[in-house]
Amino acid sequence: EAGVAQSPRYKIIEKRQSVAFWCNPISGHATLYWYQQILGQGPKLLIQFQNNGVVDDSQLPKDRFSAERLKGVDSTLKIQPAKLEDSAVYLCASSARLAGPYEQYFGPGTRLTVT
Amino acid sequence: QQQVKQSPQSLIVQKGGISIINCAYENTAFDYFPWYQQFPGKGPALLIAIRPDVSEKKEGRFTISFNKSAKQFSLHIMDSQPGDSATYFCAARAGNYGQNFVFGPGTRLSVLP
Repeated sequence: EAGVAQSPRYKIIEKRQSVAFWCNPISGHATLYWYQQILGQGPKLLIQFQNNGVVDDSQLPKDRFSAERLKGVDSTLKIQPAKLEDSAVYLCASSARLAGPYEQYFGPGTRLTVT
Repeated sequence: QQQVKQSPQSLIVQKGGISIINCAYENTAFDYFPWYQQFPGKGPALLIAIRPDVSEKKEGRFTISFNKSAKQFSLHIMDSQPGDSATYFCAARAGNYGQNFVFGPGTRLSVLP
């Protein structure tokens, strides 16, 4: 089965610009996650969707970050305006279901550099 | 309380040696402890996981040891190989609902040939 797809793989923008990342989860996976991984740190959950509803966005900086999963399949994460500290790898992951220890499958990530 | 501490930050091991990575937590509500392996340019991939009702789980060359009273768990990689060179993250999750994992900061393992 195809894995989690993300695009673009790399993005360089200037501060105060906007950027969007796209994620297509594994087919049939109801739960989708966006993580931020700053260099040298573990991934930090930004937002979690179950189908097209938000389950947890408590760590999403909502003044500049937004995410949607309108049809319950693919998802977009947007940053507007970007700050230098947003430089990180943005990982998308999906799992079959929300409840239980279902494995999360991660995509390759999008490396964002804000200059 | 939501933190997971991980050590060492980096580790160099000779081929055939044992790699040991340690993690500690405070939140007693954590009930699922996975380890992820991440290669450069790739997303993390689940390696092995354990629940606190067992003290050890082994899968091939990889073993998790779990000490509930000390709130510590560790990953042992036996007969380490150069192909094991990667960054390893421990993680923890509270509750059976949701997949909100808290990740450790990672350990960069280098296995010398």
